Amino acid sequence: SQTIHQWPATLVQPVGSPLSLECTVEGTSNPNLYWYRQAAGRGLQLLFYSVGIGQISSEVPQNLSASRPQDRQFILSSKKLLLSDSGFYLCAWSIPPDANTFGSGTRLTVV
Amino acid sequence: QKEVEQNSGPLSVPEGAIASLNCTYSDRGSQSFFWYRQYSGKSPELIMFIYSNGDKEDGRFTAQLNKASQYVSLLIRDSQPSDSATYLCAVNGAGKSTFGDGTTLTVKP
Repeated sequence: SQTIHQWPATLVQPVGSPLSLECTVEGTSNPNLYWYRQAAGRGLQLLFYSVGIGQISSEVPQNLSASRPQDRQFILSSKKLLLSDSGFYLCAWSIPPDANTFGSGTRLTVV
Repeated sequence: QKEVEQNSGPLSVPEGAIASLNCTYSDRGSQSFFWYRQYSGKSPELIMFIYSNGDKEDGRFTAQLNKASQYVSLLIRDSQPSDSATYLCAVNGAGKSTFGDGTTLTVKP
C-alpha cells in the first residue's frame, strides 16, 4: 500500500532563517507530487507541483522553492523566511486523474 | 471569480438531518471532482469522487455532478456529530487539483 511521510509536524522558525521541509512517498512510482499551504480558516493554496524528477511547476511567485531529487522525494525550501510564510504546509501525491493523498502536514510558525 | 467556489458557511444542522454542500467551478475542461473532509488541525482526507454526470452514493454520502451547470454537490444523510468538519471541494484538470476554500459543517446533537 502507498504511504506518504512528511516531517517535521511542527516548526517554529525566526524571520530570515532558512527552511527545508521533506516529503517522501512509498509504494508507488512516478507520482505527481504537490506542496500546498493553508492559512488559518482558508482553503488549500497550491505552491508547487511536479510530474517527474527535476520537473517543478510554480503556481505562486514567492520566496519559496521546491525540488524533486528522486522520484518519490519532494522538498520545499526557503533561504529566508518571512512572517507571511507561516501556515500549514501539506505535501500530497496523486496518479491523475485520481485524488490527492495528503501527508500529515507541517505547522510552520515564523516568529 | 475564483476557479472553485463553495457556499461560504458555516453550516449548522441538527443530528439526523441532511447536510447539503455546494460547489461551482469555472473550467469546463475539468475531468474529475472530489470532496475531502478536514478535521481541525488535520490534513484533508478523501470521502467522495465523481467523474460522470449524475449521482454517486456511498453510504450516507451522495455526490452529484452537473457538468453543464458546472456544479458539484455533496449530501450527507443522517448527519452525525462526527461529521462536524470542514469540507473541501476539489476539481481536477491538467494533472492538478484546484480547491475551494471549504465549508465548515457543525452537526448539533
